[in-house]
Amino acid sequence: QLVLTQSPSASASLGASVKLTCTLSSGHSSYAIAWHQQQPEKGPRYLMKLNSDGSHSKGDGIPDRFSGSSSGAERYLTISSLQSEDEADYYCQTWGTGIKVFGGGTKLTVL
Amino acid sequence: EVQLVESGGGLIQPGGSLRLSCAASGFTVSSNYMSWVRQAPGKGLEWVSVIYSGGSTYYADSVKGRFTISRDNSKNTLYLQMNSLRAEDTAVYYCARDDGGSYSHSWGQGTLVTVSS
Repeated sequence: QLVLTQSPSASASLGASVKLTCTLSSGHSSYAIAWHQQQPEKGPRYLMKLNSDGSHSKGDGIPDRFSGSSSGAERYLTISSLQSEDEADYYCQTWGTGIKVFGGGTKLTVL
Repeated sequence: EVQLVESGGGLIQPGGSLRLSCAASGFTVSSNYMSWVRQAPGKGLEWVSVIYSGGSTYYADSVKGRFTISRDNSKNTLYLQMNSLRAEDTAVYYCARDDGGSYSHSWGQGTLVTVSS
């Protein structure tokens, strides 16, 4: 079964860096994912597609502070030079034929 | 500029029906893969349904047999017909333009559906 697992919460200080993790279920470690950001009271916003080899393509206007990387079944979103507007929920998404799956989301708090 | 504008949400009694619309601009709905995704109050994102450019449709198990995704090419609009609504269908419903059969890369602002007596 295709499942994505995310930690429910994370926190980091203003100006620091944070690395969020999304883990693919067993047997699906080669899958690509996408990262989305959802700021409070807003709709989701596509950040990037992240492949199993760590290559990624970002959406229009996404700052260089956002980057992605991969290791085995884990997919990472790193946000550097944290700003207050980065405080949001972050979701990973993957897909197969006729199915799409979201992780449970990570709530990022900027201290 | 790509824009997606959902409408049709509201308060509906359990067992009732509702049709959501998603008006698109800046691209052609029929040439793209389009999804519906929902978010229950205080919860995460849940994929609901997708329609492929070729017309194939797929549904999450939670809505299969009750919801129908469709599109009107002349109006460049995506729809979600929701029947036999349940309290657990209460959510903000987003439409999204997908990159082929993969991720969603453009999102609407959402429309709230509340199922309650």
